[in-house]
Amino acid sequence: GENVEQHPSTLSVQEGDSAVIKCTYSDSASNYFPWYKQELGKRPQLIIDIRSNVGEKKDQRIAVTLNKTAKHFSLHITETQPEDSAVYFCAAILRGGSEKLVFGKGTKLTVNP
Amino acid sequence: EAQVTQNPRYLITVTGKKLTVTCSQNMNHEYMSWYRQDPGLGLRQIYYSMNVEVTDKGDVPEGYKVSRKEKRNFPLILESPSPNQTSLYFCASRSYNSPLHFGNGTRLTVT
Repeated sequence: GENVEQHPSTLSVQEGDSAVIKCTYSDSASNYFPWYKQELGKRPQLIIDIRSNVGEKKDQRIAVTLNKTAKHFSLHITETQPEDSAVYFCAAILRGGSEKLVFGKGTKLTVNP
Repeated sequence: EAQVTQNPRYLITVTGKKLTVTCSQNMNHEYMSWYRQDPGLGLRQIYYSMNVEVTDKGDVPEGYKVSRKEKRNFPLILESPSPNQTSLYFCASRSYNSPLHFGNGTRLTVT
């Protein structure tokens, strides 16, 4: 079926280290891939997104890479800080008229001081 | 300020008592959607709407109803709530091929 697989489900790093979260998608026609950050008790908020005509996008300490052939995309956070601790969700938009955004199950990132 | 507003933020109710969670957006977005969030299951789509009077089922539509009579509003209706509908609910909206904007969430408890 149409789905997005996200790994790992939990990730613990030391402050200053890098964190990488990976997602794979099933719909080869997907062309939009956002990443959301959800802090405890709050709504998910977009942190970065990438479209299928681009292989990499960077915004300060956050970057996303996309491999269309392999159908996977990754979130990279460098120089992690305690305030990066949150749950991160990847998503992919399905084509075919529904414009449905399918989410991964989330990764709980903990940055230890 | 551009936003998605849902109410109430918290709701405790009893089995079988009909309830409505309201959702309104001021960004003129065509697409609106409802999600429920449960531990370990991520965000699961309940219903979505591509435009006024156009609604469709998501992944977990059982026990829910929606309507889209106006572009800005997309209420979620639970005709006969059950305890397994205890969850955190998010309304969201977007324009075509643009990021999804979420409301602040409604924490529903059904006893």
